[in-house]
Amino acid sequence: DVKVTQSSRYLVKRTGEKVFLECVQDMDHENMFWYRQDPGLGLRLIYFSYDVKMKEKGDIPEGYSVSREKKERFSLILESASTNQTSMYLCASSLSAPGVLFFGSGTQLSVL
Amino acid sequence: SQQGEEDPQALSIQEGENATMNCSYKTSINNLQWYRQNSGRGLVHLILIRSNEREKHSGRLRVTLDTSKKSSSLLITASRAADTASYFCATGSTGGGNKLTFGTGTQLKVEL
Repeated sequence: DVKVTQSSRYLVKRTGEKVFLECVQDMDHENMFWYRQDPGLGLRLIYFSYDVKMKEKGDIPEGYSVSREKKERFSLILESASTNQTSMYLCASSLSAPGVLFFGSGTQLSVL
Repeated sequence: SQQGEEDPQALSIQEGENATMNCSYKTSINNLQWYRQNSGRGLVHLILIRSNEREKHSGRLRVTLDTSKKSSSLLITASRAADTASYFCATGSTGGGNKLTFGTGTQLKVEL
């Protein structure tokens, strides 16, 4: 079975902190994604990557950056956390595009 | 931007009844997928239907796709309390690159 692991289930940070969210997949998938999920807004794509060191902006990239130095790992970085970045963050990977996504369990981030 | 919009936003039924959820989208698609999310967890893929398919079955799930109306429906037959979850449609668009775009979801509650 494909496994997508997100490093933290719950995270509490202060405004202005730099925040790293880590995601690792074990199925050699080319494509990896970061979504955020907010009540009433569904899932919105922040960034995605279709290869090592490659990245593409999604629908809401402002305030975020990403890093993909190894195929299995995709990191989301909040350069200076703000309260409006309090959200559930979901990482996913897929073999093909636009193919079936395999999701991690999510990280609930609270920025105080 | 939201491609898919689910209807209804919330649905409450009795165990044993059928549940129908609808999804409308705006642009041409390669495929349409349905996902399920248990409270506070990651999403799990249920079924994928390609743009040249009209109907697909998987166990108690039946998905239809009408590309002329840009709509899809998910039918869960003989529902169980364990089907209680949020259900999302996601579209992979012709010009959308590697990404899927999700709707806002339908919250299904199946009562005993």
